[in-house]
Amino acid sequence: GENVEQHPSTLSVQEGDSAVIKCTYSDSASNYFPWYKQELGKRPQLIIDIRSNVGEKKDQRIAVTLNKTAKHFSLHITETQPEDSAVYFCAATSGTYKYIFGTGTRLKVLA
Amino acid sequence: DVKVTQSSRYLVKRTGEKVFLECVQDMDHENMFWYRQDPGLGLRLIYFSYDVKMKEKGDIPEGYSVSREKKERFSLILESASTNQTSMYLCASSSFTSKVGDFGPGTRLTVT
Repeated sequence: GENVEQHPSTLSVQEGDSAVIKCTYSDSASNYFPWYKQELGKRPQLIIDIRSNVGEKKDQRIAVTLNKTAKHFSLHITETQPEDSAVYFCAATSGTYKYIFGTGTRLKVLA
Repeated sequence: DVKVTQSSRYLVKRTGEKVFLECVQDMDHENMFWYRQDPGLGLRLIYFSYDVKMKEKGDIPEGYSVSREKKERFSLILESASTNQTSMYLCASSSFTSKVGDFGPGTRLTVT
């Protein structure tokens, strides 16, 4: 069935370094790929998204890249800060309505 | 800045009880979703609805039902709560056109 694989499950980086989280999706019809950040005890919040007609999108220190041929998309965070520590989820729309989420990546930024 | 709200943040119920979790969104979104979040398992889709009175099963619908009588409200029902339904339940909504989604604050349900 449809699924999204996300790696790594945990990631520790030194403050100021970059972090990369990768996702692979199975449904070639997927056309919208959001990334959510969930801080401890809070709801997931959308931080960036990309649509299938675009290969890369950037918003300050955050960027997302999409490779439709390989069915891969990645989140890149540069110059990481302690407040970037959270769980990050990728997702892909399967069909018109449904989001399929990855299992999450716990990012720890070490000061 | 109210967008997606859920009826309870914390809920404790006994095994066998009927449980109602309610979600309301004020963004006129067509799509609404119920997810369950467990450590190491990510966000698993229970049910979703793309219109009033329409519903479709997600990945883990067993033991749950839903109701969507009004566009802004989507209810999750546990007909007979069991201990393995102890979890965090997250409601979300999204626009049919933009597909951008927002989550509610979550309901942490404990079944004893």
